[in-house]
Amino acid sequence: DAGITQSPRHKVTETGTPVTLRCHQTENHRYMYWYRQDPGHGLRLIHYSYGVKDTDKGEVSDGYSVSRSKTEDFLLTLESATSSQTSVYFCAISEGSGNTGELFFGEGSRLTVL
Amino acid sequence: QQQVKQSPQSLIVQKGGISIINCAYENTAFDYFPWYQQFPGKGPALLIAIRPDVSEKKEGRFTISFNKSAKQFSLHIMDSQPGDSATYFCAAPKIGGNTPLVFGKGTRLSVIA
Repeated sequence: DAGITQSPRHKVTETGTPVTLRCHQTENHRYMYWYRQDPGHGLRLIHYSYGVKDTDKGEVSDGYSVSRSKTEDFLLTLESATSSQTSVYFCAISEGSGNTGELFFGEGSRLTVL
Repeated sequence: QQQVKQSPQSLIVQKGGISIINCAYENTAFDYFPWYQQFPGKGPALLIAIRPDVSEKKEGRFTISFNKSAKQFSLHIMDSQPGDSATYFCAAPKIGGNTPLVFGKGTRLSVIA
């Protein structure tokens, strides 16, 4: 299994509070991604990174920010959580650009915003 | 926005039967079409992928068929087993640089004995 660790795996929080999800990899892969998975919507890209301090928006980036100060860590922050951000969040990594190579996914972080 | 349309949303197949999941795409940067398999409580994992030099690829009981002119590709699972029960996602490369894959909405497959 690819060395990807997401934390926390489960979190319950209240509307308006900040939340940070962490993705840690031991594979030294260049690309890292944050997806959210919701029933009826599949996997939707939030943000991705193509190197340290190099990030770009995905299709559902509003309300989210990311940071990557080290190759191995990619943080997803919800500045002020809303109920619509209740979801399962998946981190993924790829050695090359993910559009022609394999993505390796973490186990997911289930976030509930009350 | 580029879309990948996947159908059906859910599928129930008898053990030993054939499961077929279809995907249609609008445009793509190039021909690379993976399928990912996800078991409950786990992250998706690459199952099988096809590249432009072939119209069909088979790995064990899993086959991808690709129709470039129709902009469609499909996953066939032969001799479906209860252990194949999972959610399946198709994906396609998004146009424009090294942007990540666009995923379909997923198909929940249940194989019943």
